[in-house]
Amino acid sequence: GAVVSQHPSWVICKSGTSVKIECRSLDFQATTMFWYRQFPKQSLMLMATSNEGSKATYEQGVEKDKFLINHASLTLSTLTVTSAHPEDSSFYICSARAAEGSYEQYFGPGTRLTVT
Amino acid sequence: DAKTTQPPSMDCAEGRAANLPCNHSTISGNEYVYWYRQIHSQGPQYIIHGLKNNETNEMASLIITEDRKSSTLILPHATLRDTAVYYCIGHNNNDMRFGAGTRLTVKP
Repeated sequence: GAVVSQHPSWVICKSGTSVKIECRSLDFQATTMFWYRQFPKQSLMLMATSNEGSKATYEQGVEKDKFLINHASLTLSTLTVTSAHPEDSSFYICSARAAEGSYEQYFGPGTRLTVT
Repeated sequence: DAKTTQPPSMDCAEGRAANLPCNHSTISGNEYVYWYRQIHSQGPQYIIHGLKNNETNEMASLIITEDRKSSTLILPHATLRDTAVYYCIGHNNNDMRFGAGTRLTVKP
């Protein structure tokens, strides 16, 4: 149980276009989802926290108008990278927490974004 | 989340025990110690967590010092597939933040 999926697993897009990444909790309802970014040879950096039905909370330095997060249901959160640039090329990972008061976070397999 | 300190890299011989240390001297009383690992180009994989007592599961053992300022993750019989970056995280129901981790290389 407690499986989180991401789609797509990898994507290549042209500079200036937008790309959407989906994060789904497959066998549980996720009240909170988290989005991370990981550059090569670096650790995971938290980008934003989203709660179902409310606006996401972004970490300092993360542009909310560039990285649009929607958490419209208890099993789906989406991250849209708008007007992507080559420097946005990274590994994007989501995680999901099952319920308030739960310490458990379950991570997705990640999405490799390459902007050309 | 508490700040954690881990050695940047370690080697271990295949079949031997891998002991990965973590310092978390600022951990608060309600923060659990979590361990995850990340194999190249994959999402983090949960290993084990604990609060005060030592814990063991099918993957590893977690030894937490009595003052809770440090812990050790033990992989009892390391295999080549255990080569990964291991992250130690102090976590208390907020967002989970990752440090630099330890890159463990298991050698034949």
